Amino acid sequence: NAGVTQTPKFQVLKTGQSMTLQCAQDMNHNSMYWYRQDPGMGLRLIYYSASEGTTDKGEVPNGYNVSRLNKREFSLRLESAAPSQTSVYFCATYRGGAYNEQFFGPGTRLTVL
Amino acid sequence: AQSVAQPEDQVNVAEGNPLTVKCTYSVSGNPYLFWYVQYPNRGLQFLLKYITGDNLVKGSYGFEAEFNKSQTSFHLKKPSALVSDSALYFCAVRDGDYGNNRLAFGKGNQVVVIP
Repeated sequence: NAGVTQTPKFQVLKTGQSMTLQCAQDMNHNSMYWYRQDPGMGLRLIYYSASEGTTDKGEVPNGYNVSRLNKREFSLRLESAAPSQTSVYFCATYRGGAYNEQFFGPGTRLTVL
Repeated sequence: AQSVAQPEDQVNVAEGNPLTVKCTYSVSGNPYLFWYVQYPNRGLQFLLKYITGDNLVKGSYGFEAEFNKSQTSFHLKKPSALVSDSALYFCAVRDGDYGNNRLAFGKGNQVVVIP
């Protein structure tokens, strides 16, 4: 039972390059999220997916796209990376009902030069 | 819209002393409140939550938090801090009256426990 996994753990890109951050969960949760974490800014929501087949913008969606491939996987794509996208990216899932908890992956540390 | 304020950037405390990390929130409806902890180079781990019921909630690793509706606060506390409690702590809130499951996070507080 791996929980929430993210790949890669680290990535360095040049300005203008593209890449996809992968997230997978084995907890059978419907909702999944992508956050970015920057010093002094806390976690800011980029996109979320309430269920398979649906996605919605969060607080800071510009420059990103997402795909909810199936219930397990939720990917984040940077089409043309910019230095302002240097950050740590976290994927999370949500367990509702009586639990109301989010579970986080280990993060991807991205540097854009 | 929901929001959280964590007014202090860093909290320094001597080992064995009480630890308090402050959090105030703003929501339109009923607040669901959470505390998470992040150790270096790791993801966030759930500590505790308040949904309803007793205003004092107990969580993992000896932490507790008190919900105060009149002051819109949800401060995290531990009676006796350990060096291993040194980490980044995040408060979060969601609006319990509306359907989306989005959390708003504070900017985080770095806790440093001094041996």
